[in-house]
Amino acid sequence: TQLLEQSPQFLSIQEGENLTVYCNSSSVFSSLQWYRQEPGEGPVLLVTVVTGGEVKKLKRLTFQFGDARKDSSLHITAAQPGDTGLYLCAGARYKYIFGTGTRLKVLA
Amino acid sequence: EADIYQTPRYLVIGTGKKITLECSQTMGHDKMYWYQQDPGMELHLIHYSYGVNSTEKGDLSSESTVSRIRTEHFPLTLESARPSHTSQYLCASSVEGIIEKLFFGSGTQLSVL
Repeated sequence: TQLLEQSPQFLSIQEGENLTVYCNSSSVFSSLQWYRQEPGEGPVLLVTVVTGGEVKKLKRLTFQFGDARKDSSLHITAAQPGDTGLYLCAGARYKYIFGTGTRLKVLA
Repeated sequence: EADIYQTPRYLVIGTGKKITLECSQTMGHDKMYWYQQDPGMELHLIHYSYGVNSTEKGDLSSESTVSRIRTEHFPLTLESARPSHTSQYLCASSVEGIIEKLFFGSGTQLSVL
């Protein structure tokens, strides 16, 4: 049973468009992290959210943790080709559990 | 920046061969992990270690074994590789604190023919 489901699984958009990626679970997590992974590399941590309802911004990226700490979203404003990659959420319980991933491609 | 290194980056071998994937970190982290990842998919934890001489199996059953004789070194061994072992293997370490942060190596892409 997959504890963390991400949607959409694939997303291909034009440069300048906005998008939102979702990470959903029926389980409560003490914190949740978002990673970006480029082909041939390991994931790189983008942000950690801890408090229910918390919103964090990282330049054009906005991360939100659900009030009940079961879900999270990542919103990208004015996407650029450099945003292309695999986005993974990871929830912390006794150890980190990774989501199913969203593969984003931003076309120039 | 994280200093965690994996070698080799790519490995193509025949069925039945014994292989060892190397992972080293220079940050003095106690916790280290091995994840298996198929292309564009989620990461599955196969082994972890909370310190020297401590190793545990992860959530995904794996025929590989690991050892942790030194803090900085966490190699993964397959005694007899099979095509089903073809995958990307990612090593990570984490820093202690209120919120754990994982630092990943660049991975080893293993292909077993």
